[in-house]
Amino acid sequence: DAMVIQNPRYQVTQFGKPVTLSCSQTLNHNVMYWYQQKSSQAPKLLFHYYDKDFNNEADTPDNFQSRRPNTSFCFLDIRSPGLGDAAMYLCATSRVGWAGGYTFGSGTRLTVV
Amino acid sequence: AQKVTQAQTEISVVEKEDVTLDCVYETRDTTYYLFWYKQPPSGELVFLIRRNSFDEQNEISGRYSWNFQKSTSSFNFTITASQVVDSAVYFCALSEEGGKLIFGQGTELSVKP
Repeated sequence: DAMVIQNPRYQVTQFGKPVTLSCSQTLNHNVMYWYQQKSSQAPKLLFHYYDKDFNNEADTPDNFQSRRPNTSFCFLDIRSPGLGDAAMYLCATSRVGWAGGYTFGSGTRLTVV
Repeated sequence: AQKVTQAQTEISVVEKEDVTLDCVYETRDTTYYLFWYKQPPSGELVFLIRRNSFDEQNEISGRYSWNFQKSTSSFNFTITASQVVDSAVYFCALSEEGGKLIFGQGTELSVKP
């Protein structure tokens, strides 16, 4: 089945140690999104790619970067994780012009120690 | 600007009761999409329904039903004869055509046996 896959499911990283979360898709969707969801809060959009065009949300900290080397893969890099970056990170995809459909991965739950 | 409001932060019901989750939205676009997602404790977002702004027909799927009223900018979700497995956080979300998905704050539903 076509899907959005996030690895790993759980990630523990040390305070200040760079960490990368990955997302892959087999849907051939041209838009990929990264959301951050802290405990008891709504998912918050960090950035998205429309093909190779990167779109950063205005309030996304500089500590968060992203790479999309090809259509299928998208990475979230946290350069110096702080305790406040502990959250669930959700990847989603969509296809522009397709009736507003979004497909979410299962998420990566990040713990910072 | 888009905004989604879920005024109910937490709801607790006893099994077999009916429960309605409220959602009110704001948008300037005439074309938009509304969604409901379920998020169980495991964290993944489970897609429940998508409606476009031109389709105000209410929908029923098993024990779930949705009432979309453009006149009041509301898209409410009712679970009939609730079950313990319905316990989760439910998110209402909005996207404008070709745009980002914006979530409400979520309603945590607890169904007690």
